[in-house]
Amino acid sequence: DSGVTQTPKHLITATGQRVTLRCSPRSGDLSVYWYQQSLDQGLQFLIQYYNGEERAKGNILERFSAQQFPDLHSELNLSSLELGDSALYFCASSVDGRGRNEQFFGPGTRLTVL
Amino acid sequence: DQQVKQNSPSLSVQEGRISILNCDYTNSMFDYFLWYKKYPAEGPTFLISISSIKDKNEDGRFTVFLNKSAKHLSLHIVPSQPGDSAVYFCAASLNQAGTALIFGKGTTLSVSS
Repeated sequence: DSGVTQTPKHLITATGQRVTLRCSPRSGDLSVYWYQQSLDQGLQFLIQYYNGEERAKGNILERFSAQQFPDLHSELNLSSLELGDSALYFCASSVDGRGRNEQFFGPGTRLTVL
Repeated sequence: DQQVKQNSPSLSVQEGRISILNCDYTNSMFDYFLWYKKYPAEGPTFLISISSIKDKNEDGRFTVFLNKSAKHLSLHIVPSQPGDSAVYFCAASLNQAGTALIFGKGTTLSVSS
């Protein structure tokens, strides 16, 4: 158990809908990352937050947004969903958001868009 | 353009033998390289890392070698065990604030008994 929790575990929805994925980092970790793993793809970095502020952005679509709250949990909002958004979404956390520190991953949320 | 490449999608090894997983990268600015292991229905778990100032790091059965001139790293598992069967991801990062892991697409290791 990495100490990172993600809810829900599975999510099935229709095209055009909006969903929210939730992540709670390990106790003491200030930085949260979101990654997307599509079929036959590695993990693609979406966005990073550190202590409530956006720190880095990767290949995140404009239809997607995220935030980190004062209690350090994070939410990833996906809107106007398309079939191609079906993927595993992982949240990870680390102590200070620097590259030398390992990231601890949650179990992921599997999103299926029908 | 992929900055981290794992060119072998799969590898099969017999129990007790050595497993060698390879990874190539293109960005010479990377400071750290990490290997993660992933079982089905679980998130990736950290295995071992190496700083760009070193050429070898060892942790039990796992050793990572870094060849900066070739922009190549490899993970050696000796001896391989059936429980090592998983997807192995190579990742790279910069030692700075606001940095993410850049992952390869993974290599599926199968260790048969």
